[in-house]
Amino acid sequence: EAGVAQSPRYKIIEKRQSVAFWCNPISGHATLYWYQQILGQGPKLLIQFQNNGVVDDSQLPKDRFSAERLKGVDSTLKIQPAKLEDSAVYLCASSRGQGPIGYTFGSGTRLTVV
Amino acid sequence: DAKTTQPTSMDCAEGRAANLPCNHSTISGNEYVYWYRQIHSQGPQYIIHGLKNNETNEMASLIITEDRKSSTLILPHATLRDTAVYYCIVRADYKLSFGAGTTVTVRA
Repeated sequence: EAGVAQSPRYKIIEKRQSVAFWCNPISGHATLYWYQQILGQGPKLLIQFQNNGVVDDSQLPKDRFSAERLKGVDSTLKIQPAKLEDSAVYLCASSRGQGPIGYTFGSGTRLTVV
Repeated sequence: DAKTTQPTSMDCAEGRAANLPCNHSTISGNEYVYWYRQIHSQGPQYIIHGLKNNETNEMASLIITEDRKSSTLILPHATLRDTAVYYCIVRADYKLSFGAGTTVTVRA
């Protein structure tokens, strides 16, 4: 099966600019996650979708970050305005459902804010 | 969430078994043990998970102690491509939280 697709692979922006990341999960996977991974740290969950509804966004900095999953398939994560500390790899993952099963991660988008 | 403790780093020889320990002494009865790994510049990759019994798949074996306070991930024949950060995660639900993991370097 095809993996989780993410784009762009790399992005460099200036602080205060906006940026958007795109994720296409594995076909049939109802659950989609966005993670932020700062250099040297493990990934941190930002938001979880079940189909097109938000299940958990408690760790999402909602003053600047937003995410949507229209039609329960593709998802976009947006940062507006970006700060220097947002420099990180943004990872998208998907799974068939909730519960103790494995996720499949994409390769991520590396964001550098200068 | 149960806290996990893993060594910061470890080396192993190519072709030998790699045994990666993880302590989770505060694990609850309904919490699963998951293992993921992250190869440089890639997203984390699911390896295996278990609740009480030992588990084996095509990638690795997971040995969970009888009291469930620790576990060991076994890579039976390590290759250079197994060089990665390995994460041990304990969760009852779907929200996987990643710590710093163990950086495993397989040497020729």
